[in-house]
Amino acid sequence: GAGVSQSPSNKVTEKGKDVELRCDPISGHTALYWYRQRLGQGLEFLIYFQGNSAPDKSGLPSDRFSAERTGESVSTLTIQRTQQEDSAVYLCASSRRDGAYEQYFGPGTRLTVT
Amino acid sequence: AQSVTQLDSHVSVSEGTPVLLRCNYSSSYSPSLFWYVQHPNKGLQLLLKYTSAATLVKGINGFEAEFKKSETSFHLTKPSAHMSDAAEYFCVVRNAGNNRKLIWGLGTSLAVNP
Repeated sequence: GAGVSQSPSNKVTEKGKDVELRCDPISGHTALYWYRQRLGQGLEFLIYFQGNSAPDKSGLPSDRFSAERTGESVSTLTIQRTQQEDSAVYLCASSRRDGAYEQYFGPGTRLTVT
Repeated sequence: AQSVTQLDSHVSVSEGTPVLLRCNYSSSYSPSLFWYVQHPNKGLQLLLKYTSAATLVKGINGFEAEFKKSETSFHLTKPSAHMSDAAEYFCVVRNAGNNRKLIWGLGTSLAVNP
């Protein structure tokens, strides 16, 4: 079946502009995660959605970052007034609620802020 | 609170020699544990997972890991390294509690020398 998809695959934007990143999870997956991965570094947790529960926003680095998810479908991550330090690959993952909760990752969106 | 520590940020081995990537965790409950691999410029892929069944878990590409509760460890091993094993490896523990958030280690970079 289809995996996790993300769009765009690459985004170059000017400092100060807003960007919106999209994630389409695997159908039926109730959990959705956003991560940031800077060049040569590990995954930095940003936000977690689980069904209709309140999202875990504990990883969002500043109030410039926000994310939404409608039900158990698409999610968008918005970064307002982008800064150069926001340049990174933004990864989305989804998982089933049952079983071992392993995450399935999308290919990521590479964001470059100039 | 749960946490995961990958004891080596970089490991270098010769082709054909054994691989050992170390991971220790802390958990108040019986954890689920995972190893993910990230090849250069590629997405994250699940290598193997432990979910309270057999303590020795076999994964893809000849990798395996052993859950040792007394040592709170989940080290990743492979008897004979191949050049294609060069990648970044992440140890992950599932958070106990209602939200099931996964906690990621910082990663171990594996280099395989000819």
